[in-house]
Amino acid sequence: QKEVEQDPGPLSVPEGAIVSLNCTYSNSAFQYFMWYRQYSRKGPELLMYTYSSGNKEDGRFTAQVDKSSKYISLFIRDSQPSDSATYLCAMSEGSNYQLIWGAGTKLIIKP
Amino acid sequence: GAGVSQSPSNKVTEKGKDVELRCDPISGHTALYWYRQSLGQGLEFLIYFQGNSAPDKSGLPSDRFSAERTGGSVSTLTIQRTQQEDSAVYLCASSLLREGADTQYFGPGTRLTVL
Repeated sequence: QKEVEQDPGPLSVPEGAIVSLNCTYSNSAFQYFMWYRQYSRKGPELLMYTYSSGNKEDGRFTAQVDKSSKYISLFIRDSQPSDSATYLCAMSEGSNYQLIWGAGTKLIIKP
Repeated sequence: GAGVSQSPSNKVTEKGKDVELRCDPISGHTALYWYRQSLGQGLEFLIYFQGNSAPDKSGLPSDRFSAERTGGSVSTLTIQRTQQEDSAVYLCASSLLREGADTQYFGPGTRLTVL
């Protein structure tokens, strides 16, 4: 079993829908949780960063961490075709530890 | 400022040849990572450099793979005697490695095709 599980998709939704992307993990020591977005033929770019449990909102994006369930989510409101990309979750125990990556979920927003 | 740059952007080589991939990290970033990403897959960690410390080579898949980082800046990933299964996108990332988790900034990658 991988330390971080992420459904590879693809996930296809109509423009304007609310999107929910998720990762589960097994290591209860993870404290830092990130979401990266990767457009086709580009490197990943940091989208959201959260520490410990709770929610963080940035515009149309909300990151949610539930440490009791070992489950993190990224919500995208009012999804746009430009949101079509692969979304990778990553997490870490702290600064002296490697980031552990999910496999990425391919998201397609249909106009 | 300038981001992470990688060269070449694409490389096509024949099986058995050696290849060198280059990464220029963001100026001042002390940590540098190499990853491999196969089609439709997540990131596979290869090697990590941090300042003057010995690199973490635990992700290198075989002794055909090696990397160096000169002067704490530019890094080169070398693959000797390439095999078809080496075909992938090779991504480089750099970070400041501040307190907390490691926010990594990625280059655009080098797409390697081994014929």
